Amino acid sequence: GAGVSQSPSNKVTEKGKDVELRCDPISGHTALYWYRQRLGQGLEFLIYFQGNSAPDKSGLPSDRFSAERTGESVSTLTIQRTQQEDSAVYLCASSFPRALEQFFGPGTRLTVL
Amino acid sequence: GQQLNQSPQSMFIQEGEDVSMNCTSSSIFNTWLWYKQDPGEGPVLLIALYKAGELTSNGRLTAQFGITRKDSFLNISASIPSDVGIYFCAGRGNAGNNRKLIWGLGTSLAVNP
Repeated sequence: GAGVSQSPSNKVTEKGKDVELRCDPISGHTALYWYRQRLGQGLEFLIYFQGNSAPDKSGLPSDRFSAERTGESVSTLTIQRTQQEDSAVYLCASSFPRALEQFFGPGTRLTVL
Repeated sequence: GQQLNQSPQSMFIQEGEDVSMNCTSSSIFNTWLWYKQDPGEGPVLLIALYKAGELTSNGRLTAQFGITRKDSFLNISASIPSDVGIYFCAGRGNAGNNRKLIWGLGTSLAVNP
């Protein structure tokens, strides 16, 4: 597709369950970012992938959060043992190498009951 | 994490009015980006600024990179109802090869037709 896609668009889960969120970046974009956006809040950086370099995980809030990326394509954000405080929209963005302009997907709205 | 000071936090204006919002940083930035987020969607890039003093327009939007390199503003002229949304500024400083952007908390704009 032409843009960044994310799935699912909405996810409702029970506290304590694990969830996986998927991001398909724009083809050719070697950089990929995950953000968390709580209701009415700004963007909270989670993790950044750039090509084959070690990812920048400095924004992950706890060891329940992890992310993987297959080469320069799909990325998966995993949240283990979800808590109600994890409820938020999780946004993925990608960019060309050495470019700062990030292109965002529509997000996954996660609700933890 | 580090954040930009973005103001105002929210605005409620009449259709046809001009709008101005700004971002400030305690440190020097090399790049400023302005994004708009519509409800239920990811942010979309509006304007990118790369040089101190630069003034760039995109339709009714005008943004400037402050001469001190510590601030930027966004103006919207003759607002229309579809301007409703959250406007975010983002910037990058001199942190080597780190492509991580610093984000403002957003300005929520409501337009009364």
